[in-house]
Amino acid sequence: GENVEQHPSTLSVQEGDSAVIKCTYSDSASNYFPWYKQELGKRPQLIIDIRSNVGEKKDQRIAVTLNKTAKHFSLHITETQPEDSAVYFCAPLGGYNKLIFGAGTRLAVHP
Amino acid sequence: DTAVSQTPKYLVTQMGNDKSIKCEQNLGHDTMYWYKQDSKKFLKIMFSYNNKELIINETVPNRFSPKSPDKAHLNLHINSLELGDSAVYFCASSQGVDRGQFFGPGTRLTVL
Repeated sequence: GENVEQHPSTLSVQEGDSAVIKCTYSDSASNYFPWYKQELGKRPQLIIDIRSNVGEKKDQRIAVTLNKTAKHFSLHITETQPEDSAVYFCAPLGGYNKLIFGAGTRLAVHP
Repeated sequence: DTAVSQTPKYLVTQMGNDKSIKCEQNLGHDTMYWYKQDSKKFLKIMFSYNNKELIINETVPNRFSPKSPDKAHLNLHINSLELGDSAVYFCASSQGVDRGQFFGPGTRLTVL
């Protein structure tokens, strides 16, 4: 079956630093790559996504880069703020059009 | 004006009982989903409906039965609840199967 791995599982940064989370997937047919943010006790929320015909997409402090050949995509957060603290999930679209969620990365931004 | 809503928010019940969770979306989306998030935060899809038709049915015990009366609603009925069913259940919706999904607030189910 599809395999999705996220690294690191936890990430601790100082406010203002950058954070990068990498997601590796196994299904070469995947063509849609979203990232979700889940704050404590809240619902997962889509923060950025990218399709396979694009290598990079940016939205203010958040960017996603895709390397289809190597089958990985990464979330980049610049100028981190305490409110960026959350669990981040990658969820590439796999077979049967299912989102396959990674195990999550817990990001802590310290003031 | 909530986009995806679920009721109830919390559900505490005894083993062996039957319970239902309701989900509604007012986004006009054609696809709805049920996910289970366990205590380790793993998010796993259970079911998906597209235009009221079941399109994804993961390896879920048949005690779980989804029902989609129309495109805006997807309910989840669970029979003979077990301790291992304790989790947070999220409903979600999207326009098409390859688009971003919008999640409901979740229903925290505790089986005693």
